[in-house]
Amino acid sequence: AQSVAQPEDQVNVAEGNPLTVKCTYSVSGNPYLFWYVQYPNRGLQFLLKYITGDNLVKGSYGFEAEFNKSQTSFHLKKPSALVSDSALYFCAVRDIYPGGDYKLSFGAGTTVTVRA
Amino acid sequence: DAGVIQSPRHEVTEMGQEVTLRCKPISGHDYLFWYRQTMMRGLELLIYFNNNVPIDDSGMPEDRFSAKMPNASFSTLKIQPSEPRDSAVYFCASRLSAAVSYEQYFGPGTRLTVT
Repeated sequence: AQSVAQPEDQVNVAEGNPLTVKCTYSVSGNPYLFWYVQYPNRGLQFLLKYITGDNLVKGSYGFEAEFNKSQTSFHLKKPSALVSDSALYFCAVRDIYPGGDYKLSFGAGTTVTVRA
Repeated sequence: DAGVIQSPRHEVTEMGQEVTLRCKPISGHDYLFWYRQTMMRGLELLIYFNNNVPIDDSGMPEDRFSAKMPNASFSTLKIQPSEPRDSAVYFCASRLSAAVSYEQYFGPGTRLTVT
């Protein structure tokens, strides 16, 4: 099975500083990777994906992620964090069933707190 | 589109009672997923459907849990009898098989508390 790991339970940054949320993956074949965000009392929302192509992927709300094959990583980044970015962030990977169908396997999540 | 709709948003029940959670996927989506989120276990996939047919229910924790999808616009997750350890937030999500984006759309969740 494909899997992702988020090594940090929590990330704390000051508003205006760069934000990085780490994710590493373990897959056979080419990875399809995703980032989702969950704001308090809300469902998960899609931020961005890497399927193929440029290693730097741009997504919603000013976020981007860098795919690094040699380090098997897909870190989420934002150059200047906002207090409103405080949320729970999930990395996910496409996990294919033998019959060709797939599901998303999510990491444990990283809580981001941006202080004013 | 209204997005994925879940009801109720909050449910408080006593141990031993039957609980039914409801989900209406986005119109036209042919995949539907039920997830459970807890502090201890994170986000777990319980079961998913394709064209109303259950495909993988390996995440359903026990026989007390059952899920149905009688038509393309409605699904239920039932717990009978409920136990305190079932307390969690339950999410429904849907997606379109033909979508190039692979994006899943999540509902707002049902917060279940079993006392």
